[in-house]
Parts: sequence; C-alpha cells; structure tokens
Amino acid sequence: EVQLLESGGGLVQPGGSLRLSCTASGVTFLSFAMTWVRQAPGKGLEWVSGISGRGGAIYYAESVRGRFTVSRDNSKNTLYLQMNNLRAEDMAVYYCVKINSKNLPDDNHYYMDVWGKGTTVTVSS
Amino acid sequence: QSVLTQPPSVSAAPGQKVTISCSGSSSNIGDNYVSWYQQLPGKAPKLLIFDNNKRPSGIPDRFSGSKSDTSATLGITGLQTGDEADYYCGTWDSSLSVGVFGGGTTLTVL
Repeated sequence: EVQLLESGGGLVQPGGSLRLSCTASGVTFLSFAMTWVRQAPGKGLEWVSGISGRGGAIYYAESVRGRFTVSRDNSKNTLYLQMNNLRAEDMAVYYCVKINSKNLPDDNHYYMDVWGKGTTVTVSS
Repeated sequence: QSVLTQPPSVSAAPGQKVTISCSGSSSNIGDNYVSWYQQLPGKAPKLLIFDNNKRPSGIPDRFSGSKSDTSATLGITGLQTGDEADYYCGTWDSSLSVGVFGGGTTLTVL
C-alpha cells in the first residue's frame, strides 16, 4: 500500500519561510511525478506545484511562482516544498499527492491517485 | 476563480440519482482526461474517477463519469447519506502547464 506522510507545517510570520517534506512508502518513488495541493480554510482545492519522476520537469501555480520551490530526493523517497516570503493567503492544509505516471501529464492522462493526510501551514503575526 | 466551473451545491434524496457538471475549455478538459475526487468532511480528498470514466479498485459502480468536448459529468446513483461530501473535478491545462480543479460541489443527501 502506498503511503504519503507530510511534515514541516506550523506557524510562521508573514514574510517568513517554511519547508514541507513528504515521505513516500510502498512505491518506486522515482517512477511517479508528485504534486502539492493546498486547501485554505473553508475553501476548495488549489494545485500548487508539480515535479516529474526524475525532477526534470517542474511546474508552479502563478500564485506561488518565484516564492515556492519544489524538489525531490529519490534516494530518500522524499518530496519537498520550500516556501519563502509567506503571505496570509498561503495559509492552508498542504497535501502531498502522487500522480499516475512519471510525467506531467503522460499522453494527456493526469490524475492524483494517492493523497497524504496533509500538513497545516498557518501564516500569522 | 477556478479554471473549471462546477455548481456550488447539489442535493437529492436517498436512493435517488444526482449529476455534477464540470465545465472547462479546449486547453484543459478539451485536451486532457478528467478525474474526480471525493472529500468527506475533515478528510483528505480521494480519487473517485480517472481517465474520464474509470473507477479505481474499491469504488462502487454507483459512481460514473463522462466527458464531452470541454465538459465532464460525475453521476452518482442510489444515493446514500455516506455520499455527503465535496466533489472536485480536475485535469491538466496544456496552455498554462498547471493542474487545475473545479471549485468543488457540496452534495447533500436530504
């Protein structure tokens, strides 16, 4: 069974930084692209960033481009999200999500088949 | 504003059928397969439908999906109180090179 475990969330002041981690088990990690999805309190899902299996392709939502950096260490089965210059509107539950293939997308196929439980990021002074 | 458009809410009685629409454009739904996610209260989302109309193992056949041009539809038959949740459509946008979601639809089983 594939499991994803996020960590690194917490309280940070506006303008501060935080690094989220997501450790995967039960899967050949480098064979799959990964994504971060967030959900602000009482709001819908927002796609944040995606990275291909070997890290050669990286994408960001416009709302975080230039402030967030996604990376992965396939030797540690771990996905990261470095978040800088955090704003109040970044406050959300951040989910680590496995994609169906190593590419984003793969011949027009794109879906999120395994979700972590999420880690909460609070931005407040 | 979400790239994909869903109705904010739908409702129906137990045992009945409901459909949830998802409207997009030629660069997202028109160019890529659609997936649907169920989010029960207080839980992480779960994959419900992938590749427009396929169900992952363990998802009952009461749930179905379809796609036509730049729109997709989720259907749920034999509604149960346990189906009360938020439902999201999702896909890739080939022009923006990002994943996209609908705003979500809250299902109430009266």
